[in-house]
Amino acid sequence: SQQGEEDPQALSIQEGENATMNCSYKTSINNLQWYRQNSGRGLVHLILIRSNEREKHSGRLRVTLDTSKKSSSLLITASRAADTASYFCASPSTSGTYKYIFGTGTRLKVLA
Amino acid sequence: KAGVTQTPRYLIKTRGQQVTLSCSPISGHRSVSWYQQTPGQGLQFLFEYFSETQRNKGNFPGRFSGRQFSNSRSEMNVSTLELGDSALYLCASIGGSGANVLTFGAGSRLTVL
Repeated sequence: SQQGEEDPQALSIQEGENATMNCSYKTSINNLQWYRQNSGRGLVHLILIRSNEREKHSGRLRVTLDTSKKSSSLLITASRAADTASYFCASPSTSGTYKYIFGTGTRLKVLA
Repeated sequence: KAGVTQTPRYLIKTRGQQVTLSCSPISGHRSVSWYQQTPGQGLQFLFEYFSETQRNKGNFPGRFSGRQFSNSRSEMNVSTLELGDSALYLCASIGGSGANVLTFGAGSRLTVL
């Protein structure tokens, strides 16, 4: 399977704590993206990091990318109950195409 | 501007029937992709259309097909439904200043009995 792997599969934390999830992918990429999905609905784009970037921030989100290890991590700081969702990484199957391969996802539960 | 619209949102079919799902992308977006999401297989790429042409195809049997119209609206069809086709079918469009970013619809949840 081309599918990327994410870990952990599930994560449960208290409000205010930080949540870190990791993603590994299999192909050479020009960008990697993270998406959030609430309760089986559509996915929402969170952040995109390009292959020549090592770290990117957006509000409470911090993404890192290590192209030598083909891995990325998403850090959510000061988590809130509203952050409860599934998080997926996605990368193009081949550089320059719109065929995206999604990771297996991390289910995050933030307890109030 | 309006988001990606998928219809119907929910549907129930029986084995052997066929189903057509519709997707209206964000105005101005010319690329439309379809994904199947199941608990066991996760998100799997079905196909991508750009300007009425299929550019990419995932590893699905020929029972899964799609098309795109001149106004960029897209449909996908599944014939001879099997129980394993029960899934959330997600449509996403790409275009404009957000090139490379997928904007998803809310999905069509198909249950096959």
